[in-house]
Amino acid sequence: DVKVTQSSRYLVKRTGEKVFLECVQDMDHENMFWYRQDPGLGLRLIYFSYDVKMKEKGDIPEGYSVSREKKERFSLILESASTNQTSMYLCASHSQGPTDTQYFGPGTRLTVL
Amino acid sequence: AQTVTQSQPEMSVQEAETVTLSCTYDTSESDYYLFWYKQPPSRQMILVIRQEAYKQQNATENRFSVNFQKAAKSFSLKISDSQLGDAAMYFCAYRSEEYGNKLVFGAGTILRVKS
Repeated sequence: DVKVTQSSRYLVKRTGEKVFLECVQDMDHENMFWYRQDPGLGLRLIYFSYDVKMKEKGDIPEGYSVSREKKERFSLILESASTNQTSMYLCASHSQGPTDTQYFGPGTRLTVL
Repeated sequence: AQTVTQSQPEMSVQEAETVTLSCTYDTSESDYYLFWYKQPPSRQMILVIRQEAYKQQNATENRFSVNFQKAAKSFSLKISDSQLGDAAMYFCAYRSEEYGNKLVFGAGTILRVKS
């Protein structure tokens, strides 16, 4: 079975803290993605990675960075958390095989106080 | 830029009835993919159905089917014989080869199923 896991389901941080959100997939997928989900806005792409050490900005990269040192792990970093980064964060990896779809993690609900 | 619009923030359906969720998109490309994803409350997002734009035949997956109107840029999801387990947030999404494997999502439609 396909599996995408995220390090935390719920996280509470203070303004200015550095925050790490981790995502791990066990499917040997090359492409991985970080989305942010907000009510009324759907999912918006923050960053994505085509392969190890390769990354590209998505539609809303400001205030975020990413790291992909190993194929199975894709980390999202909030260098200095702000209250407007309170949101649900979803990680996904993409299968280019017969199923040709993105598989999502359970999400991390981040609250920045 | 590609955009996806879901004009129904919420929908309700009686158990065993049929419901249709609407989605429109804007693109200048001719080759692309369209998806419906389901996000149950507090559970992971899963793929419901996929449609390739070059295929004229509408995709179906058991009780789920789509009405794909390429010229109108419309991609609606029909759920037949609705079940309580269908209650979820449904997202329409677009992907094109030129845009890599990135998905562009609509705002979502909350589907409530009444028993």
